[in-house]
Amino acid sequence: DAKTTQPTSMDCAEGRAANLPCNHSTISGNEYVYWYRQIHSQGPQYIIHGLKNNETNEMASLIITEDRKSSTLILPHATLRDTAVYYCIVRGGGANSKLTFGKGITLSVRP
Amino acid sequence: SAVISQKPSRDICQRGTSLTIQCQVDSQVTMMFWYRQQPGQSLTLIATANQGSEATYESGFVIDKFPISRPNLTFSTLTVSNMSPEDSSIYLCSAWDVIIPNYGYTFGSGTRLTVV
Repeated sequence: DAKTTQPTSMDCAEGRAANLPCNHSTISGNEYVYWYRQIHSQGPQYIIHGLKNNETNEMASLIITEDRKSSTLILPHATLRDTAVYYCIVRGGGANSKLTFGKGITLSVRP
Repeated sequence: SAVISQKPSRDICQRGTSLTIQCQVDSQVTMMFWYRQQPGQSLTLIATANQGSEATYESGFVIDKFPISRPNLTFSTLTVSNMSPEDSSIYLCSAWDVIIPNYGYTFGSGTRLTVV
């Protein structure tokens, strides 16, 4: 699976949009971009995933560049409960493909 | 989506002993995975547990230290053997199946192990 690169940390104000970048320049054509987050002392939680089109769900939006070498996770109205480590993961399709976690980005939402 | 229950949620163990962690899924799943998360670190995959076959271990992890069972499609155990303080970590169980719509993977809330 392709490797991802994320900043170590970022912060944003409560109520503002949080834009979390991820680089995955070696992504191949059949690999998906997944985002998970881990709130302190909990297991990772799925947020969103995409292949090449932008995706939106009730939690977030995922913007994937046309060349698919980078993506941005957008939390439109960050709350204090969104403070967590966010992991951008590239995963191939199929049952035998594992989720490999990088270091992630620590998002701190300030009041 | 599938819901995972992990037991125990935490434990404090003496060095040299072994601890078995249980992972129960509320539906049948194809793949189950075990991860380790050392203090302040990201998750590291230990092994993939398939029903009816030996677990597949990642580099740096061996069966003698981390024996895994997968007796059916809803249950798996991870044993941490002959523990030392370096084994103090959070151990997480994960499951994958096509029945988990969109998400693909679901995670338990982990077992926090402290070895003294």
